Parts: sequence; structure tokens; C-alpha cells
Amino acid sequence: GENVEQHPSTLSVQEGDSAVIKCTYSDSASNYFPWYKQELGKRPQLIIDIRSNVGEKKDQRIAVTLNKTAKHFSLHITETQPEDSAVYFCAASGQAGTALIFGKGTTLSVSS
Amino acid sequence: DVKVTQSSRYLVKRTGEKVFLECVQDMDHENMFWYRQDPGLGLRLIYFSYDVKMKEKGDIPEGYSVSREKKERFSLILESASTNQTSMYLCASSLLAREQFFGPGTRLTVL
Repeated sequence: GENVEQHPSTLSVQEGDSAVIKCTYSDSASNYFPWYKQELGKRPQLIIDIRSNVGEKKDQRIAVTLNKTAKHFSLHITETQPEDSAVYFCAASGQAGTALIFGKGTTLSVSS
Repeated sequence: DVKVTQSSRYLVKRTGEKVFLECVQDMDHENMFWYRQDPGLGLRLIYFSYDVKMKEKGDIPEGYSVSREKKERFSLILESASTNQTSMYLCASSLLAREQFFGPGTRLTVL
């Protein structure tokens, strides 16, 4: 079955810096790669996703890149702000809407 | 606005008890999922369902079962609760080809 590895497990940056979180997956049949943000005590919420027919997607300060050949995808957050502090999870599945396999999460801390 | 609700935010049970965790969504989603979340382990898939009365095992189904008698409701059952099932349980739902929406979670403690 699918296995998703996520690095780093913790990341500390200064406000205004960029943050990058990387994930690798094992199943070449995976075609959908979402990123979820979970603030303390709250439910995970989708922040961005990418499908396998696209190499990069951007939404304001957040971007995701996908390299299907190497089976890895990354989350890029630019101009970080304290409210970006949260746990971020990557995931993979065959298509959107189907069962997700998650990475173990990255705790991002942005200090002002 | 999608709403996924779970029957309890906090639950304390004794070892050996039968435990029911209920999840309801109000957006006519076909797909529903149960995950457990533990520190350092992320979210792990327990069971999922793509239709009423249909269920599929996820990565960690041992010790759990599920029931989906109606489209909007997906129940997770711990047949005989054990201390290693102490965890945060998250329900999610989705339409096919769309994102998953999560419920608020149930923090279960088994004593």
C-alpha cells in the first residue's frame, strides 16, 4: 500500500522567512496530493492540493510543487506570519475524494 | 457550508467496554472516513465507506468495526476497548473527486 514520508518533523522560522516542507510517496498510482493545516485544538483544514497532471500550484503565499518521476511533493510558504504556526500534514491518494494516506506531520513555529 | 459533526468531543471509557463513535454529515457526501490521530504518528486510516452499507478496511482496522446504515451517518465501533485505543478520532467526508472535510474530533480515553 501507499506510504507517505514527511520531513522535517519540526520547523522553526522567523517571521517573513520562507518555510518548505517535503513529502515523498511510494505508490506510483497516487494522483492527488493535498496539504492540511491543523491549528492547536482544531480540525485539519485543506489549504492547497495538487493533481498529478500539474507540476505546480500557487495560492497567494502558499505553493505546492510535484515531481511525479521522483515521487515527491513540497509545500512552500513565503513571507511567513505568526498565524502560520500550526501542524501541517501532506497526504496522497488515487484521486480526490478517496481515502488519504497521511504523512506524520510537521510542526511549524513562526516567531516574530 | 459543509458540516461534519461527531457525537462527543471527549469520552472516557473502561477497558473491555463497547464504544460507539458517531459521525454525521449534512452535505449528501458519498464518502466517509475514520482516522485516528496520535502525536508523532499523524493521521492513520481505520475504515472508510464509499456508499451506504459498504465498508473498506484502512491501514489499522484491528480492534474496530464500522456501520453505515444511512448515507449521512458513519459509526466507528470499538468492540472491546483497550488502553492502546486511547486517541483522538477524526471523521471526514467528501464527494468523489472533491476535498475531504473533517469533523471536530473525539478524544477518547480508555482507562
